[in-house]
Amino acid sequence: QVQLVQSGAEVKKPGASVKVSCKASGFTLSSYGISWVRQAPGQGLEWMGWISAFNGNTDYAQKVQGRVTMTTDTSTSTAYMELRSLRSDDTAVYYCARSPNTVVVTQVDYWGQGTLVTVSS
Amino acid sequence: DIQMTQSPSSLSASVGDRVTITCRASQGINNYLSWFQQKPGKAPKSLIYGASILQGGVPSRFSGSGSGTDFTLTISSLQPEDFATYYCQQYNTYPITFGQGTRVEIK
Repeated sequence: QVQLVQSGAEVKKPGASVKVSCKASGFTLSSYGISWVRQAPGQGLEWMGWISAFNGNTDYAQKVQGRVTMTTDTSTSTAYMELRSLRSDDTAVYYCARSPNTVVVTQVDYWGQGTLVTVSS
Repeated sequence: DIQMTQSPSSLSASVGDRVTITCRASQGINNYLSWFQQKPGKAPKSLIYGASILQGGVPSRFSGSGSGTDFTLTISSLQPEDFATYYCQQYNTYPITFGQGTRVEIK
């Protein structure tokens, strides 16, 4: 069955970087895109960006552009989201989600379980 | 950015009730709209895409309609497991944006 399993919770200091992984199983990652969405405590959902696992093309939200890098490793069926220069308002649960399109971001169908990233001094 | 506005922000309903949630886009998004359900402490679950197409495994009591700027999610007969927060999302135009959520509570 389709699964996206994310890495565990992280605690980081302001200014540090975090890299969250999202391991795919039950499907061929290179035939899909992966979106990343975050949710601050008690808040709604915020789209961060998308990567085509077919060709590595990305689209990032302006709010995190310049601080975020999304990559995929099709040999290990894993997607990654790295966020740099962390601030306290980056504290959130980060989700990966599968998009059944490799050209443009479209709807998502399956979600990872989420990774809590806490930024605190 | 396209603003997605959901109404109401919250509602109280009883098991068996028909529930309708509205989502309005600040500009036309064709039918590139999804609906998600999220329970506390859990990842969102995809319910509907393309405004009206049910994701696999989603019960038929859920339905979606609309196009352009106005969309609705309807639960025809609310079940105990449906108490959750619901989000709409447009994927017509970058950046992808979500509504603020509608919390469905037990009356």
